[in-house]
Amino acid sequence: QTVVTQEPSLTVSPGGTVTLTCASSTGAVTNGHSPNWFQQKPGQPPRALIYSTSNTHSWTPARFSGSLLGGKAALTLSGVQPEDEADYYCLLHYGGPRVFGGGTKLTVL
Amino acid sequence: EVQLLESGGGLVQPGGSLRLSCAASGFTFSDYAMNWVRQAPGKGLEWVSSIIYNGGSTYYADSVMGRFTISRNNFKSTMSLQMNSLRAEDTAVYYCVKGDQGVDFWGQGTLVTVSS
Repeated sequence: QTVVTQEPSLTVSPGGTVTLTCASSTGAVTNGHSPNWFQQKPGQPPRALIYSTSNTHSWTPARFSGSLLGGKAALTLSGVQPEDEADYYCLLHYGGPRVFGGGTKLTVL
Repeated sequence: EVQLLESGGGLVQPGGSLRLSCAASGFTFSDYAMNWVRQAPGKGLEWVSSIIYNGGSTYYADSVMGRFTISRNNFKSTMSLQMNSLRAEDTAVYYCVKGDQGVDFWGQGTLVTVSS
């Protein structure tokens, strides 16, 4: 069974920079896994931020960026805002099935 | 404006069945893969099932394989999830989600509660 691992929690100061990562139990994450990233706030459905590793949607704030870093997918927030406090999930594709990471709770403090 | 409207959730006894539906609008439904994703109360997201644009291929999480069946009707722009042999651990909000390599839009979700 494939497991996708994210940091359970991270804390960042307003205006700071933070990187969330997404690792696969099968080995290095590649562009072939088409990493997607989502933000979820309490009581709301998730909102898509990044697709295919580094592509942003039209509504994605410019401070969010995606990349591959050290064999993992990464989501970087630069110039963090208080409203970025939320849960963040990555999604990896495995040729048909998909697997979500366990999520990262980001606290802005 | 893309809209995904789920329906069919509710309370069902263990071992029972339920059929979820997703009505899509605001985009060319037949061009896109569609997915079901669920979230148990207080837990993370779990991918459940996907169906490609023409219904020719379907995929399932191990946790629902053999119990759930995904389908779509491109003429009506709808997707369905037939859920059989339901278990307590299937209790979750079920989301209808658009996209394949690029997942973009999510519905508001429908709550399924499996309990006696």
